[in-house]
Amino acid sequence: TQLLEQSPQFLSIQEGENLTVYCNSSSVFSSLQWYRQEPGEGPVLLVTVVTGGEVKKLKRLTFQFGDARKDSSLHITAAQPGDTGLYLCAGARGSGNTGKLIFGQGTTLQVKP
Amino acid sequence: DAGITQSPRHKVTETGTPVTLRCHQTENHRYMYWYRQDPGHGLRLIHYSYGVKDTDKGEVSDGYSVSRSKTEDFLLTLESATSSQTSVYFCAIKMTGTAGEQYFGPGTRLTVT
Repeated sequence: TQLLEQSPQFLSIQEGENLTVYCNSSSVFSSLQWYRQEPGEGPVLLVTVVTGGEVKKLKRLTFQFGDARKDSSLHITAAQPGDTGLYLCAGARGSGNTGKLIFGQGTTLQVKP
Repeated sequence: DAGITQSPRHKVTETGTPVTLRCHQTENHRYMYWYRQDPGHGLRLIHYSYGVKDTDKGEVSDGYSVSRSKTEDFLLTLESATSSQTSVYFCAIKMTGTAGEQYFGPGTRLTVT
């Protein structure tokens, strides 16, 4: 059962375009993380959102946690070739501190120069 | 850099043979995790550990066992490898007191022929 659905799964755009990746679930998460992964490497943490409605910015990347803490989005403004990679969302459930995460399937982004 | 290394980085083995993958960390983190990554599935949790000799199952634990006799080492064993266990395996740690953020090793690519 895939508890976190990411869309789109693949995205190929030109440099300078904007894009949004969505991460949706019917479950409530205590926190949600976004990771970026390059070929041959492990995922690298970009951001964590904890509060419903929270918005965080990381340069040209804007992350939002849904009001009900069931969904999240990642918006990239003026994409650059260096943004190319696999983007993964991951949610933590429950109040325990085990740190167990549920991952989405990932969104492969290709930004062409 | 959370000081995580994985060994080996690449391995090819035959069906039915035992395989052990090692994850080593240098910063005394309590929580450690093993994931597998397959196309279209994101990352799926195999087992995790919350201290020396304290481990628990994740969502895809069948066919895998783990051991943690020292804080710094978390071993994943495939007792009798099958072709369905061909995958990329990632180890991760969680920083104490964080909202679930995990930091990943570089991965081990395992091929079972």
